[in-house]
Amino acid sequence: DTAVSQTPKYLVTQMGNDKSIKCEQNLGHDTMYWYKQDSKKFLKIMFSYNNKELIINETVPNRFSPKSPDKAHLNLHINSLELGDSAVYFCASSQGTGPRGAQHFGDGTRLSIL
Amino acid sequence: AQSVTQLDSQVPVFEEAPVELRCNYSSSVSVYLFWYVQYPNQGLQLLLKYLSGSTLVESINGFEAEFNKSQTSFHLRKPSVHISDTAEYFCAVSEIIQGAQKLVFGQGTRLTINP
Repeated sequence: DTAVSQTPKYLVTQMGNDKSIKCEQNLGHDTMYWYKQDSKKFLKIMFSYNNKELIINETVPNRFSPKSPDKAHLNLHINSLELGDSAVYFCASSQGTGPRGAQHFGDGTRLSIL
Repeated sequence: AQSVTQLDSQVPVFEEAPVELRCNYSSSVSVYLFWYVQYPNQGLQLLLKYLSGSTLVESINGFEAEFNKSQTSFHLRKPSVHISDTAEYFCAVSEIIQGAQKLVFGQGTRLTINP
């Protein structure tokens, strides 16, 4: 069974469109994250939710809006997509918010903006 | 703010040779350090971590890392690598913001094993 699953795996779309990426974890964790990995493989956290509450919101354009309907799901909606949004987006989850809870990552969603 | 520097972007080695991937961090508070591995087209997997206690930590597949506070380093080593170790390796430090863990990653080191 996949622990952290993201859909879709690949997303190709035009500039200006709105798109969503879904994430689900079946590990029973209470904390979920979104990371962005750019073309140089650099990974940066975007958001973190604990028990459906937003706890980390990095300097991310407000075109990005995360939503957590329950502890097992964290979706990412992106409005008015731009060329610079092309990247691989990773969802992750952990138990608790401290460093002892190892973060488990999904396989990523590769977003390509034409 | 905490930061991580991985000194080598690429490390090519021959199979069965030893390898060291270097990682230096800067932190003004308690240090929690991690190594993650990313195989092609996959997400990151935790390789090992240092939270406290023994400064030498080991993974199940033969990697080890040593926390060196005086040199602010957490280098990853393996005495004999296999083709299957080919991957991208990321060092990370945990920063706690308002009770929430934020992983700050280094730039990654691509380990390539040649037969």
